[in-house]
This record gives sequence, structure tokens and C-alpha cells, in this order.
Amino acid sequence: DIVMTQSPDSLAVSLGERATINCESSQSVLYSSNNKNYLAWYQQKPGQPPKLLIYWASTRESGVPDRFSGSGSGTDFTLTITSLQAEDVAVYYCQQYYSTPPGFGQGTKVEIK
Amino acid sequence: QVHLVQSGAEVREPGASVKVSCKASGYTFTGYYMHWVRQAPGQGLEWMGWINPNSGGTNYAQKFQGRVTMTKDTSISTAYMELSRLRSDDTAVYYCARGAAAVTFCDYWGQGTLVTVSS
Repeated sequence: DIVMTQSPDSLAVSLGERATINCESSQSVLYSSNNKNYLAWYQQKPGQPPKLLIYWASTRESGVPDRFSGSGSGTDFTLTITSLQAEDVAVYYCQQYYSTPPGFGQGTKVEIK
Repeated sequence: QVHLVQSGAEVREPGASVKVSCKASGYTFTGYYMHWVRQAPGQGLEWMGWINPNSGGTNYAQKFQGRVTMTKDTSISTAYMELSRLRSDDTAVYYCARGAAAVTFCDYWGQGTLVTVSS
């Protein structure tokens, strides 16, 4: 199974500042035949189901604000929230869907400093 | 618009079974896989498996094989997840989530169903 590891486990960022979350996979999730990274990011607010933010490592889901961006390739990925807003307080998860089981990272909690 | 509406919270004793439903609307039910993901209290997300509503084919995470059964009723656009021989560590919120393929990201999620296992 591919193991997903996120860092940090939590971070506190001032309103309007940048938040950066890292995600590392135990093996590459880049599929060479189509040059796509099989990596998604989700946001989960308390008491709510996860919400898809990013797929293919960097494609923003429809309706997701452009302050959210994804980058990286192979085994190392980053979710960046530029100019953090109060409504961005949540836990963020990365997920690989390169192979079964489609595993998730342990989550990163983002709070306001 | 796409909606996945799950059944309500359940309480079961250890050793019992629970069946959670997930009613889909706003899209062609047989055109997408239905995945099931659970989340223990204060913990992360754990993928359990999927069902292909078109073929009825299933794939379960190894951890749940022998205890989980995923089924569907296409006439009412509803998927089901049944977990048997419940243990206290099965206490969790269970989510259904739509995916375009067997191994993929999930773009729509149900609201979740809390299953509490307690004597």
C-alpha cells in the first residue's frame, strides 16, 4: 500500500498570510503514460464531510477559490492557501488514487494565529 | 445538483451488524462508482471499498474483507454498506462518496452516518 504522510500535523497562520501543507507519498503517484499525478486534496470542517479542493495534484475543483493551489510531482506535493481567510479553518487531507487502496494522509489542522 | 443523502445514526451492540444507506440524486446513479469511507472520532479518513452500481461489482479494503458487504438498488438509486461482527473500534462516521472510477478522487460526499458500537 502507498503510505501518505503530511506535514505539519497542525499550523497556525495569521489572517491574510500564507499556509503551506506538505504531503509525501511512499512511492511515486505519477503515471508516466499520461504524465498525471494521482493526488487529491480535501478540506474538512468540523461536523462536515470532506470537500474536494484539488485533483490531479493541481487542478482546482469548480467553485474552489483561487487562493487554494496544489503543486508537486512524483512523491512530494504541496497545498498552498494564499491569504488565509477565517473560513479556511479546517483539517486538510491529501489522498493518492494511483493504486488501491486509495489512501489518505493523516490530516493537517489549520488554525488562525 | 448532485446529492447523496445517508440514513440516520445507529447504535449497535458488539457482535451485531449495521446497514447504512446512501440515496443518490441529480446524476445517473449507474454512471459512477460509490465509495465508502469512514472516520473514527477525532481521527482521519479510512477507505473501505467501492461498488459499481452498474455491474454490482465490488472491491473491499483488505482490512474489512469478510465483514463488509456493499450492495445497491438501482431502482431507487441507493447504495448500501453493511458491516457485520461490529466491535467498539468500528464506532465512526461512515460516508458514501461518488467517484468516476474504481480508484479515483471523490467529488461528492454524503453527510455521514454515525455508527456507535457500545454495550
